Amino acid sequence: DIVMTQSPDSLAVSLGERATIYCKSSRSLLYTYNNKDYLGWYQQKPGQPPKLLIYWASTRESGVPDRFSGSGSGTDFTLTISSLQAEDVAVYYCQQYSSSPPTFGQGTRLEIK
Amino acid sequence: QLQLQESGPGLVKPSETLSLTCTVSGGSISDTSYWVYYWGWIRQSPGKGLEWIGSIYYSGSTDYNPSLKSRVTASVDTSKNQISLKLTYVTAADTAVYYCAGLRTSSYGYMDVWGKGTTVTVSS
Repeated sequence: DIVMTQSPDSLAVSLGERATIYCKSSRSLLYTYNNKDYLGWYQQKPGQPPKLLIYWASTRESGVPDRFSGSGSGTDFTLTISSLQAEDVAVYYCQQYSSSPPTFGQGTRLEIK
Repeated sequence: QLQLQESGPGLVKPSETLSLTCTVSGGSISDTSYWVYYWGWIRQSPGKGLEWIGSIYYSGSTDYNPSLKSRVTASVDTSKNQISLKLTYVTAADTAVYYCAGLRTSSYGYMDVWGKGTTVTVSS
């Protein structure tokens, strides 16, 4: 199985500041035949299911605010929130869908400083 | 707008079989518009985080997590617009919130629609 490792485990950022979350995979998620990275990012708030934010490493899901962006390729990926809002407090997960079984990172808890 | 709703018993005894159903509304899973989706089960427990259990296509083809494959069966009922999950010989380690989700690109793809989840506790 591909192991997904996120850092940090928790993060406190001031409102309006940038938040950056990292995700590293144990194998490359890049398929050269289509030049796509098979990596998604999710946001989960208490009592709710995960919500898809980003897929193909950098494609924002419809309706997701543009302050959320994804970058990276191969084995190293980043989720950036450009200007933290109060409603962004949540746990964030990365997920690889390059090979079965799909696997998730352990999650990063984002709080307001 | 697709909506998914899980249902099933909240409490299951050890060694018994867990049975869950996911009802899809807002579209027919056998409609060509939704052939882009695989229908999957994912669980979340404090100890193991998010874990993919398996997926099924509207045609009935399945894909299971090898770690659970010997105990899992997924099925689809297109007439009821439902997918179902059976997990046999449950133990306390199977206590979790169980979600159904729609997966894109493959049976192990990204998940862009989720149910609200149902909590299952395994205890005597």
